Amino acid sequence: AQSVSQHNHHVILSEAASLELGCNYSYGGTVNLFWYVQYPGQHLQLLLKYFSGDPLVKGIKGFEAEFIKSKFSFNLRKPSVQWSDTAEYFCAVKSTYSGAGSYQLTFGKGTKLSVIP
Amino acid sequence: DSGVTQTPKHLITATGQRVTLRCSPRSGDLSVYWYQQSLDQGLQFLIQYYNGEERAKGNILERFSAQQFPDLHSELNLSSLELGDSALYFCASSIISGGSNEAFFGQGTRLTVV
Repeated sequence: AQSVSQHNHHVILSEAASLELGCNYSYGGTVNLFWYVQYPGQHLQLLLKYFSGDPLVKGIKGFEAEFIKSKFSFNLRKPSVQWSDTAEYFCAVKSTYSGAGSYQLTFGKGTKLSVIP
Repeated sequence: DSGVTQTPKHLITATGQRVTLRCSPRSGDLSVYWYQQSLDQGLQFLIQYYNGEERAKGNILERFSAQQFPDLHSELNLSSLELGDSALYFCASSIISGGSNEAFFGQGTRLTVV
């Protein structure tokens, strides 16, 4: 079964600091990769996704992520965080072949980001 | 607004009871997924339906069951509820089951078992 590891449980940054959240997954085949954000009391919203092509993907709100296949990683970055980025961030992986199981998303345990004004 | 509708938003019930959570997927989406989010387990995949048929099962307890109806809405039934079942239950939908497509999540149903 797939697993997704998010290295940081809670990250605290000051506004304007740069952000990098780590994500590693276990499955070696072709995967789709996602970052979701969950603001307090709200549902999961898609920040960005990687299906194929350029491994550097840009998402909403200035976020980007880089897929490094050799490292099984899909780290999320933002050059300068804002207070409004305070939320929980989830990395998720979906295999693209039925032989590898079904097509559900496997989520990491999430990283809480607190941005101090 | 993701287009996925879940009802009710909040549910408080007693141990031993049974509840039904409802999910209406985005228009045109054939696949529905149920997830449980708890503080200790994080986001756990429960079950997936595609066009009315069960497609995959995850960490779903035998006390839980789900179905997807001809109009594509889905219901998650939780029975013999225990305190540990208190969690946020999310439904997500996507156009198809396989391939490269993203899932859209509903607002969730917060279940509190007392």
